[in-house]
Amino acid sequence: GAVVSQHPSWVICKSGTSVKIECRSLDFQATTMFWYRQFPKQSLMLMATSNEGSKATYEQGVEKDKFLINHASLTLSTLTVTSAHPEDSSFYICSAIDPPNQPQHFGDGTRLSIL
Amino acid sequence: GENVEQHPSTLSVQEGDSAVIKCTYSDSASNYFPWYKQELGKRPQLIIDIRSNVGEKKDQRIAVTLNKTAKHFSLHITETQPEDSAVYFCAASPMDSSYKLIFGSGTRLLVRP
Repeated sequence: GAVVSQHPSWVICKSGTSVKIECRSLDFQATTMFWYRQFPKQSLMLMATSNEGSKATYEQGVEKDKFLINHASLTLSTLTVTSAHPEDSSFYICSAIDPPNQPQHFGDGTRLSIL
Repeated sequence: GENVEQHPSTLSVQEGDSAVIKCTYSDSASNYFPWYKQELGKRPQLIIDIRSNVGEKKDQRIAVTLNKTAKHFSLHITETQPEDSAVYFCAASPMDSSYKLIFGSGTRLLVRP
């Protein structure tokens, strides 16, 4: 149980384009989802907390207009990287929980490469 | 906000030996402490977790200890095997309604056959 699916797994695109990443909880209702960014050989940095039906809460230093998060249903959250540039290249991972149950269950991640 | 420090950054042990990874946290109100194992290019996988009302928890070769007074928790792996080689992350969850996790910097564990 507690499977989280993330799509796509790998994206390569040109600078200036927008990229949408989907995170789905397959066998449980995830009222809360989290988005992380992980650079090579570094830790997971929390970008934002997404609650179903409400606006996302962004961590300090994360541009909300750059990283658009939508959590329209209990099983789906999306992260859109708008006008992506090479410095946005990273490994993006989502996780999901059904509070108050823990732990967080992680997706497989999306490797984003901006040329 | 919460800050988690993790040591060491790299750890190399001989197969069969024990490995210990240590973390400290800053927010005394944090109440949930999971440990994740991440293999290269893959998702973090929970290996063990502990809550603030428990001092120690064990699952086969893996154990976690928590010292709330010192704001310190540790991961212990006994009888290490080559397949234990991976990056290990500790995390702490602040006692608010967010359920978010703040991760440590990670420990790269290498188990030499």
